[in-house]
Amino acid sequence: NAGVTQTPKFQVLKTGQSMTLQCAQDMNHNSMYWYRQDPGMGLRLIYYSASEGTTDKGEVPNGYNVSRLNKREFSLRLESAAPSQTSVYFCASSAQVGTAAKNIQYFGAGTRLSVL
Amino acid sequence: GIQVEQSPPDLILQEGANSTLRCNFSDSVNNLQWFHQNPWGQLINLFYIPSGTKQNGRLSATTVATERYSLLYISSSQTTDSGVYFCAFSGAGSYQLTFGKGTKLSVIP
Repeated sequence: NAGVTQTPKFQVLKTGQSMTLQCAQDMNHNSMYWYRQDPGMGLRLIYYSASEGTTDKGEVPNGYNVSRLNKREFSLRLESAAPSQTSVYFCASSAQVGTAAKNIQYFGAGTRLSVL
Repeated sequence: GIQVEQSPPDLILQEGANSTLRCNFSDSVNNLQWFHQNPWGQLINLFYIPSGTKQNGRLSATTVATERYSLLYISSSQTTDSGVYFCAFSGAGSYQLTFGKGTKLSVIP
């Protein structure tokens, strides 16, 4: 029962470097999400993908890009990392966005990212 | 905008005690979930509860949608219950889960 799998688990970057965070789900879900969690805070939505082929901005999209590679995979890219992007990143998926019970979201284990 | 407020922010319990965590939200509810974030950072689904009452072992939850609040009850607490409990909410017609800031629970032996 893998559920939502994120890689890598930890990453340290220098300011200006780029990297891609990977996320894959094996629950045949249509919708996928990327969140960030800063110390002492709840999670905030960066981007989401309601279905394969679509992506939309969430609450804090600046500095990020996403790709919905196929139904299983949704990646988050930092083109030029900044110290303000030091955070824990969570990927989530749900059966379907916007439809009551099918919007139950299931989360991966997170990626701890430090930008120096 | 949508607001989700959780109380109390911090809670320290003796093992075996009971507790009630509260979540107030600012709009009509489409989705409401409770999560436990364990000390290793993993988010664990506890309940999907946009209305009514559910129970799972020592945990139960109640949402009163008309009054815009949800409660999470923990009975006979154990040290493994320690961590942060988050309430997350989305309003009618919305996809976006808005998280509260959480309640940090510490259960001491």
